[in-house]
Amino acid sequence: DTGVSQNPRHKITKRGQNVTFRCDPISEHNRLYWYRQTLGQGPEFLTYFQNEAQLEKSRLLSDRFSAERPKGSFSTLEIQRTEQGDSAMYLCASSSQRSHSSYGYTFGSGTRLTVV
Amino acid sequence: GENVEQHPSTLSVQEGDSAVIKCTYSDSASNYFPWYKQELGKGPQLIIDIRSNVGEKKDQRIAVTLNKTAKHFSLHITETQPEDSAVYFCAAMRDYGGSQGNLIFGKGTKLSVKP
Repeated sequence: DTGVSQNPRHKITKRGQNVTFRCDPISEHNRLYWYRQTLGQGPEFLTYFQNEAQLEKSRLLSDRFSAERPKGSFSTLEIQRTEQGDSAMYLCASSSQRSHSSYGYTFGSGTRLTVV
Repeated sequence: GENVEQHPSTLSVQEGDSAVIKCTYSDSASNYFPWYKQELGKGPQLIIDIRSNVGEKKDQRIAVTLNKTAKHFSLHITETQPEDSAVYFCAAMRDYGGSQGNLIFGKGTKLSVKP
């Protein structure tokens, strides 16, 4: 596996339901990031893990959102009580760290969420 | 916080011509500037990046220049081909110990290369 893998690719859910997305980063990367992208916009940062530690959360990450990276490998992003405004592409990225700098900042293909 | 502005929002060129996309950033502490290409339905693909300790970097038909004083950086694509058609995003980040690790993106440039 040479890339960042995200599942599912598409998710349609009814408003109020919970959804969970999975991200498998590049195996040697210790940093993992979640972004959200709406149509016609650039990706917006949600949260960031270094190994299993969640080091930063954006103000975009409301209480209904939670992310985990239990063993410092794959990560999950859960959205509870989905709202129509949550409809977007959810992107995962990973990078490796050398001398405090990030290398190979690579994105997955994303999970497109549609809330109906 | 950091703000990245990108121009133009759309760019149409003839195959074989050059394309230039420009970005400005506001945070003088930003030191990492990647460029991404995004095709429809796919995630952003890293095509080239530059760090603040160099002024220019080239990879085949793609080059990036950085002017730290003016806080702007540009993507240059030479000998454009139809497969270069996509949305291109610039981004900026503070990339050192203790940093957040988050990229701040521009709004994107839709490049169309006409055969």
